[in-house]
Amino acid sequence: AQTVTQSQPEMSVQEAETVTLSCTYDTSENNYYLFWYKQPPSRQMILVIRQEAYKQQNATENRFSVNFQKAAKSFSLKISDSQLGDTAMYFCAFISTQGGSEKLVFGKGTKLTVNP
Amino acid sequence: EPEVTQTPSHQVTQMGQEVILRCVPISNHLYFYWYRQILGQKVEFLVSFYNNEISEKSEIFDDQFSVERPDGSNFTLKIRSTKLEDSAMYFCASSDRVAHTEAFFGQGTRLTVV
Repeated sequence: AQTVTQSQPEMSVQEAETVTLSCTYDTSENNYYLFWYKQPPSRQMILVIRQEAYKQQNATENRFSVNFQKAAKSFSLKISDSQLGDTAMYFCAFISTQGGSEKLVFGKGTKLTVNP
Repeated sequence: EPEVTQTPSHQVTQMGQEVILRCVPISNHLYFYWYRQILGQKVEFLVSFYNNEISEKSEIFDDQFSVERPDGSNFTLKIRSTKLEDSAMYFCASSDRVAHTEAFFGQGTRLTVV
């Protein structure tokens, strides 16, 4: 079974600085997708960034980038130039593209606070 | 921008009552999902639905739960006899392909069972 682990329950960063959120996962499969979702206080789930396992290049979306280390099964999220609006829960998630499973498997989340 | 819409945003119900949570997926999407998040915990998969039938469900999705797409636009989750432990945030999601690499989530329905 796939598992996703986020080892940092809470983190804080000063506005305009950079922060990295950690995520590791466990799977025996070779093809899969990884995601970071943001959940602000409104509790809506918002897709931040995704990475396809067969792509070696790390995904980037504006201030958000990932460090995908497939051999280490690590998928960290870097937020540059942090903004107050980045304050939220961040969930790392995994989905397999094999075996017919269609469910996202989520980590427990990291609560990020951006301080002014 | 197309979005997944869920109603109501908050539902309070008495233990033992039936509730129906409603979702309007994005119109050209074919795959639909329900997830739940108990307060302070991680998001958990409940069920996936494609071509008018359940394609996968978790152990949480027992006989008290059912899903339906009654009219081609709405996608509903019914809990027949609610328990206190059903209190959670329920998220609907939809995508246009398998392995929902483009999954979009609704804003969630907060269910409180008293």
